[in-house]
Amino acid sequence: NAGVTQTPKFRVLKTGQSMTLLCAQDMNHEYMYWYRQDPGMGLRLIHYSVGEGTTAKGEVPDGYNVSRLKKQNFLLGLESAAPSQTSVYFCASSYSTGAGQQNTEAFFGQGTRLTVV
Amino acid sequence: LAKTTQPISMDSYEGQEVNITCSHNNIATNDYITWYQQFPSQGPRFIIQGYKTKVTNEVASLFIPADRKSSTLSLPRVSLSDTAVYYCLVGNQGGKLIFGQGTELSVKP
Repeated sequence: NAGVTQTPKFRVLKTGQSMTLLCAQDMNHEYMYWYRQDPGMGLRLIHYSVGEGTTAKGEVPDGYNVSRLKKQNFLLGLESAAPSQTSVYFCASSYSTGAGQQNTEAFFGQGTRLTVV
Repeated sequence: LAKTTQPISMDSYEGQEVNITCSHNNIATNDYITWYQQFPSQGPRFIIQGYKTKVTNEVASLFIPADRKSSTLSLPRVSLSDTAVYYCLVGNQGGKLIFGQGTELSVKP
């Protein structure tokens, strides 16, 4: 049981290049999230998904796209990387408890450190 | 959208009890309150969640007054390994999980 796995762990991009970050979870969770964290800052939500085939914008979606074609995977794409996208990216997943109690217990990956030069 | 306010930083010494308070004046009726811990170079880790009164687990206690406009995370007898950033979250925002700035706790020997 690996939990949430992010690929790659580190990456250096040149301005204008594109790349895809992969997040995989083996817990059969409904919800998945992508965050970015800049030095000394809190986490900011980029995009999230409440189920397979669905995605929604978070707090800072510009410059990113996502896809959730399979329940266990959530992909984050950068079409044309910019230095402002240098950050640590965290993926997370959480389960649905159904009607009644909210679920705010999320499980995070180890992060992807991205540098855009 | 319930906004949270926490102190930016706190200092403590080993063996002391640490209380971190979070304000959330516009919390909605159905919102739960959740706390996360984040160590450097790691993703956040869920600590505790509550709706009202007091919740306790093996890691921490969460105190929520009757008006629910604030909450206090209590860490008993902290050690150096409790040095981390602690985040308070409110509700599930329709699927979103929104983190604030967090409180950077520094535990000294």
